[in-house]
Amino acid sequence: GNSVTQMEGPVTLSEEAFLTINCTYTATGYPSLFWYVQYPGEGLQLLLKATKADDKGSNKGFEATYRKETTSFHLEKGSVQVSDSAVYFCALSDHMDRGAQKLVFGQGTRLTINP
Amino acid sequence: DTAVSQTPKYLVTQMGNDKSIKCEQNLGHDTMYWYKQDSKKFLKIMFSYNNKELIINETVPNRFSPKSPDKAHLNLHINSLELGDSAVYFCASSQEFLAGVADTQYFGPGTRLTVL
Repeated sequence: GNSVTQMEGPVTLSEEAFLTINCTYTATGYPSLFWYVQYPGEGLQLLLKATKADDKGSNKGFEATYRKETTSFHLEKGSVQVSDSAVYFCALSDHMDRGAQKLVFGQGTRLTINP
Repeated sequence: DTAVSQTPKYLVTQMGNDKSIKCEQNLGHDTMYWYKQDSKKFLKIMFSYNNKELIINETVPNRFSPKSPDKAHLNLHINSLELGDSAVYFCASSQEFLAGVADTQYFGPGTRLTVL
């Protein structure tokens, strides 16, 4: 079945450092790809998404490019802030019948940014 | 206005009890979901409903029964609670998946269930 593998955490960086969180996927067909973020004690929020190969999703300084040739969707940010501390989830959508879609998540990467 | 809301936020109960978690969305979406997040933060889909019809049931024990009275609500009832049911349960909603384009799923704040 389809699956998502993320870089193992936790990741700890200093403020203003460059961030990369690796994500690779296995899928039949051409799924859409997502990054969700979960701040402490909260639900998941969409950070960015890409729906086809070579699309770049971006939001709040974060970027990820859908690379079909390497089946990857790595998350990057040029200069992280303390407020970026959270758990980040890479996910792909698996189309089901009758209008539903199933999100398949990676295991999550906990990011801590120190001032 | 909260887009996807869940009640209660915390639920502590004894093994063997029956409990329900409620979910409501005011986004006008047709599809709703339940996910389970375990203690290691791993997220897995449990159910999906589209316009009150069950679409996805991911080999969840039949002690778990989702109920959708209308397309804005998807409640989760759990019978005979077990220790292993302790987790955070998230409700989510999205538009229908049409024309091969996946829509964003919007998540509720979660319900932390602790079974003692």
